[in-house]
Amino acid sequence: SAVISQKPSRDICQRGTSLTIQCQVDSQVTMMFWYRQQPGQSLTLIATANQGSEATYESGFVIDKFPISRPNLTFSTLTVSNMSPEDSSIYLCSVEVRTGETQYFGPGTRLLVL
Amino acid sequence: QKEVEQNSGPLSVPEGAIASLNCTYSDRGSQSFFWYRQYSGKSPELIMSIYSNGDKEDGRFTAQLNKASQYVSLLIRDSQPSDSATYLCAPRTGGSYIPTFGRGTSLIVHP
Repeated sequence: SAVISQKPSRDICQRGTSLTIQCQVDSQVTMMFWYRQQPGQSLTLIATANQGSEATYESGFVIDKFPISRPNLTFSTLTVSNMSPEDSSIYLCSVEVRTGETQYFGPGTRLLVL
Repeated sequence: QKEVEQNSGPLSVPEGAIASLNCTYSDRGSQSFFWYRQYSGKSPELIMSIYSNGDKEDGRFTAQLNKASQYVSLLIRDSQPSDSATYLCAPRTGGSYIPTFGRGTSLIVHP
């Protein structure tokens, strides 16, 4: 497994602003992912963070709204840009330690947009 | 489109009983199957994985897989109040890094 930390753990933001969420893993991992989980809903994959190249986004998510960086094998950031109340959600970082294994989740970032 | 169906519940069982959580999936290419537990306000944690037809036991948990019926289940024996959580089923297609998550079944174990 892996120990995953996320910052911030929660935040309250104003409409139109941006928030960058950090994900740090205690060991090198093959894959890093960003998910969103809205209240009472399951997990929705936003994108796969690729080390040294552009992230791979799922249908319905675009780079301008959710820019992602992954400068190395242990760290990634997700920015939620030009926020609206509809972006209020829990954002989860997930990692796959070795190819073919399952994913482990970070503690999540609770975002409320007013 | 890959679909994963779970009864949202809540499923309420008395302490000490067997809780049975069910999941069906649409993608016949699914080869790996995962069960996650998610406590309220927390992130999902992996509790079981199963890859072959049949049963797999781990402590009080048993995962059952029937690929022909596209059905996977999780049994929790001797249910405890601490088992009260939402259980997410997540099949994964061979060759894909990414599982498809169901909406989860809420389990309540009452004393």
